[in-house]
Amino acid sequence: EIVLTQSPATLSLSPGERATLSCRASQSVTNYLAWYQQKPGQAPRLLIYDASKRATGIPARFSGSGSGTDFTLTISSLEPEDFAVYYCQQRNNWPPLTFGGGTKVEIK
Amino acid sequence: EVQLVESGGGLVQPGGSLRLSCAASGFTFSSYSMNWVRQAPGKGLEWVSYISSASSTIYYADSVKGRFTISRDNAKNSLYLQMNSLRVEDTAVYYCASSTLKLYYFDYWGQGTLVTVSS
Repeated sequence: EIVLTQSPATLSLSPGERATLSCRASQSVTNYLAWYQQKPGQAPRLLIYDASKRATGIPARFSGSGSGTDFTLTISSLEPEDFAVYYCQQRNNWPPLTFGGGTKVEIK
Repeated sequence: EVQLVESGGGLVQPGGSLRLSCAASGFTFSSYSMNWVRQAPGKGLEWVSYISSASSTIYYADSVKGRFTISRDNAKNSLYLQMNSLRVEDTAVYYCASSTLKLYYFDYWGQGTLVTVSS
């Protein structure tokens, strides 16, 4: 089973700042990695798939990069609605499909 | 507009059973694979089960294998999860999620249904 480790667990930033979230895989997932955003009481929303492709309707301030075992989600300038929990997920080697433990982006 | 609506959650005793349903609309349900994903209170996401569009391929997480059964009825645009021998650790919000954009990613999600296993 591929383990995804996200860091940091919590990121405290102000609106307008840049957010950089990390996801590290226990073995290569090539580029088969997605990022999701989840707000309290809501279902997750797909942001990025195949490491760097934005899903439908996702703003350009969200970008993904990386391959192999190290991946990054960058939010170029935080909007108030971006404060949420973010999860990465791999689909390269499954079952099982696995998620990271999440990074909470909170208002500083 | 794509909609996924789960139902069937509730309170059940350990060892009991529950059947979750997910009603799909706004897309050609029969063409896409579907999944169940759960989230324990205050915890992260855990994939539970996968079913291909024609039900020919089915996978389960080890934590539910032998106890849960995924199925679908394409004529009714519905997905199901039969949960038997429920344990306290199965307590979670259960989401159905589709893979219409690309296989094995979850691009549409329902609002979730809460399953509580407690005596």
